[in-house]
Amino acid sequence: GENVGLHLPTLSVQEGDNSIINCAYSNSASDYFIWYKQESGKGPQFIIDIRSNMDKRQGQRVTVLLNKTVKHLSLQIAATQPGDSAVYFCAENIRAAGNKLTFGGGTRVLVKP
Amino acid sequence: DGGITQSPKYLFRKEGQNVTLSCEQNLNHDAMYWYRQDPGQGLRLIYYSQIVNDFQKGDIAEGYSVSREKKESFPLTVTSAQKNPTAFYLCASRGLTSQPNEQFFGPGTRLTVL
Repeated sequence: GENVGLHLPTLSVQEGDNSIINCAYSNSASDYFIWYKQESGKGPQFIIDIRSNMDKRQGQRVTVLLNKTVKHLSLQIAATQPGDSAVYFCAENIRAAGNKLTFGGGTRVLVKP
Repeated sequence: DGGITQSPKYLFRKEGQNVTLSCEQNLNHDAMYWYRQDPGQGLRLIYYSQIVNDFQKGDIAEGYSVSREKKESFPLTVTSAQKNPTAFYLCASRGLTSQPNEQFFGPGTRLTVL
């Protein structure tokens, strides 16, 4: 897409399979994590979030896992559909820093029919 | 419809010219943000404002300026001092007491310097 990267890591997944997107974060003080989905030419849309005192949260077809020991976040999408093709970003929020969001570099997901 | 609007969707400017990107929200949000997105990178914070007539620099403020004269509006000016202005610019807003997940984004403006 015009606004997303030529050099983003890309995950190709067969329609109907599960997708796992990974994200490493840097700041131990982050108190909140969010996954966003961005389709070509559009702004990011909220998918799911998780507080730092949790290690798992489930939504509709999506699950976020948080491993604070290794500062790792993952997004699992069940039964991936063509409409899931997009770029996915994780973001960390630090309340002590004025609630600013810091974004990861993004992963492109391509769903093959 | 409530939401955030950015205009124009595509913007072209000649090198050396200043250009102003519009961002308007009718969500009654106190905080507004400007991000820049480049290929292969995530969003980087340029400026943010938590209240009218006040704003703070983000991580990459050099070459940009903002104003916040009204709660609904947070225009971003890309000045000629910005060395690599071609990018996708995203505006966002959030209520000050809202959770972080309630930060909503506009559709973006694609700026190309010719």
